[in-house]
Amino acid sequence: GAVVSQHPSWVICKSGTSVKIECRSLDFQATTMFWYRQFPKQSLMLMATSNEGSKATYEQGVEKDKFLINHASLTLSTLTVTSAHPEDSSFYICSARTSGTPSDNEQFFGPGTRLTVL
Amino acid sequence: AQTVTQSQPEMSVQEAETVTLSCTYDTSESDYYLFWYKQPPSRQMILVIRQEAYKQQNATENRFSVNFQKAAKSFSLKISDSQLGDAAMYFCALDSGYALNFGKGTSLLVTP
Repeated sequence: GAVVSQHPSWVICKSGTSVKIECRSLDFQATTMFWYRQFPKQSLMLMATSNEGSKATYEQGVEKDKFLINHASLTLSTLTVTSAHPEDSSFYICSARTSGTPSDNEQFFGPGTRLTVL
Repeated sequence: AQTVTQSQPEMSVQEAETVTLSCTYDTSESDYYLFWYKQPPSRQMILVIRQEAYKQQNATENRFSVNFQKAAKSFSLKISDSQLGDAAMYFCALDSGYALNFGKGTSLLVTP
């Protein structure tokens, strides 16, 4: 099956610093990648959608200047949380979709990154 | 707008018994996909089962099956012969070509 990795799996940072999270599709080309945020005991909330080589599309209420998304290649997308604050502490999950099998329409999920901002 | 509603925040089932998790949805699209995902304590999202809206036959994957009622916009998940490893959060999700829209989830407890 298709594998998606995320790095780091957890990170602790000080308030005001920036943190970069990587999402990689290991054995397929991901034309579209998605970034989700999940608070404890809650569902996944879509933050943004990125297509390779294009600017990301952000969901309403998500600050594009705070959550920078780059999808520079077909196997890598990055999420940078700029000037992080304690309220940004959350679990961030990426997923990837390939255009190779449109009938499947399946997204493959990374294992997630736990961000704690002190 | 698309919505996915899971009305059962928590469910409990005894080992080896059968449990059904409910999900209703709303979409104006005619072509879409429905999914059930499992999220264990590790928080890795695991695809349990998928259903294409144009297929009338209910999807089945081993002990997992769905009851897809398109007119009623209902998509329930039945877990047969429940096992301790089935304990997790279960999310119903709708995809009509843009992105997944998740329900709030149902926490499933499996008792010995």
